[in-house]
Amino acid sequence: EAQVTQNPRYLITVTGKKLTVTCSQNMNHEYMSWYRQDPGLGLRQIYYSMNVEVTDKGDVPEGYKVSRKEKRNFPLILESPSPNQTSLYFCASSLGDRSYEQYFGPGTRLTVT
Amino acid sequence: GENVEQHPSTLSVQEGDSAVIKCTYSDSASNYFPWYKQELGKGPQLIIDIRSNVGEKKDQRIAVTLNKTAKHFSLHITETQPEDSAVYFCAASGSGGATNKLIFGTGTLLAVQP
Repeated sequence: EAQVTQNPRYLITVTGKKLTVTCSQNMNHEYMSWYRQDPGLGLRQIYYSMNVEVTDKGDVPEGYKVSRKEKRNFPLILESPSPNQTSLYFCASSLGDRSYEQYFGPGTRLTVT
Repeated sequence: GENVEQHPSTLSVQEGDSAVIKCTYSDSASNYFPWYKQELGKGPQLIIDIRSNVGEKKDQRIAVTLNKTAKHFSLHITETQPEDSAVYFCAASGSGGATNKLIFGTGTLLAVQP
């Protein structure tokens, strides 16, 4: 089954404790992206990757890091989480090269206390 | 850069009625306009999309219309059913270097009352 998977689905952590949210897709997509969803703000792009070893900032990159060492994986790293990063996070992938249709993962609910 | 506005933020309709959600965009270079449906506890899922060379597209009970001159597009759901209840997001393709970038609206919570 073609899908985007994310882990963990739910995470509660404390300020400053490094964490990683994993994302994996099995569709051989070139383009992958991370979004955060907050009430009244919709989906805002954090980082994206056009292909292996090619990443760039989205609209709200502060406090986040990403890496793309393999085509299928695109982890989101929070080196020192803060309460304002409490949010619902989605990973998405698309074929690439102006194929805009994006496939979303099930989401990760992160709470930082 | 591209900016997408979506209205209304909440919409309540009776089962069987029609629902319309509207979006406007700012970048005339945008050429792809998808609509996503997000059910509770799940990720957004594409339900219909339209490209700039088409004015209207239908798929069973859902349709999207696009007015490029006015820079707005709309989602129409006819004969609504309780399972249509969800959050709906519109989006527009971004311009610039990120060829696959989508800019999303703020979402519409649709409630279909049985």
